[in-house]
Amino acid sequence: SSELTQDPAVSVALGQTVRITCQGDSLRSHYANWHQQKPGQAPIVVIYAEKNRPSGIPDRFSGSSSGNTASLTIAGAQAEDEADYYCNSRDNSGNHWVFGGGTKLTVL
Amino acid sequence: EVLLVESGGGSVQPGGSLRLSCAASGFTVSSTYMSWVRQAPGKGLEWVSLIYSGGVAYYADSVKGRFTISRHNSENTLYLQLNGLRPEDTAVYYCASHYDSSAYYSLAYWGQGTLVTVSS
Repeated sequence: SSELTQDPAVSVALGQTVRITCQGDSLRSHYANWHQQKPGQAPIVVIYAEKNRPSGIPDRFSGSSSGNTASLTIAGAQAEDEADYYCNSRDNSGNHWVFGGGTKLTVL
Repeated sequence: EVLLVESGGGSVQPGGSLRLSCAASGFTVSSTYMSWVRQAPGKGLEWVSLIYSGGVAYYADSVKGRFTISRHNSENTLYLQLNGLRPEDTAVYYCASHYDSSAYYSLAYWGQGTLVTVSS
């Protein structure tokens, strides 16, 4: 198995841009996905296969990757974007999936 | 519209068993990958198990040998049999569907979760 590492907490001023990162060896071989979870709710997918947005996800959300690091960028963060964000991907075997520890985003 | 509805959670003593169900609509569970993911109280997400469309299954080391993933194709339902439960298995259990190969089988949709509490 392999691990994915995220910063525990990030803050951003309302309307500004924030980047949340995820590091792991398996990201060199497998795409990252990003999940948003608000308190008391189930997660939802905001980015899949590195840079794709499901329908209904605002275009201020974008994903990218370089080497062993995947990034989720929120351009013009809104109050409703305050949530926990988790990256996930396959591990090096390709048959197990792993999640990062999550990043709590605060919108100031 | 894709909908995943979990059920079967509850309170159980250590060593006990439960069977979780995930009723799917809007797609066919046997046609794609399906996963179970859990979240202990106040903690992050932990992948538990995956079943491929062909039926091969994989498990996290923490549950291997105790949990079994399966599906009932005609009922379009995914299951997770939990045996030998431990207090550290206490969590909300989510089922999740995956995209197809065009999206590299990434996770796609989540259910609302069902709570499992293991305590004496």
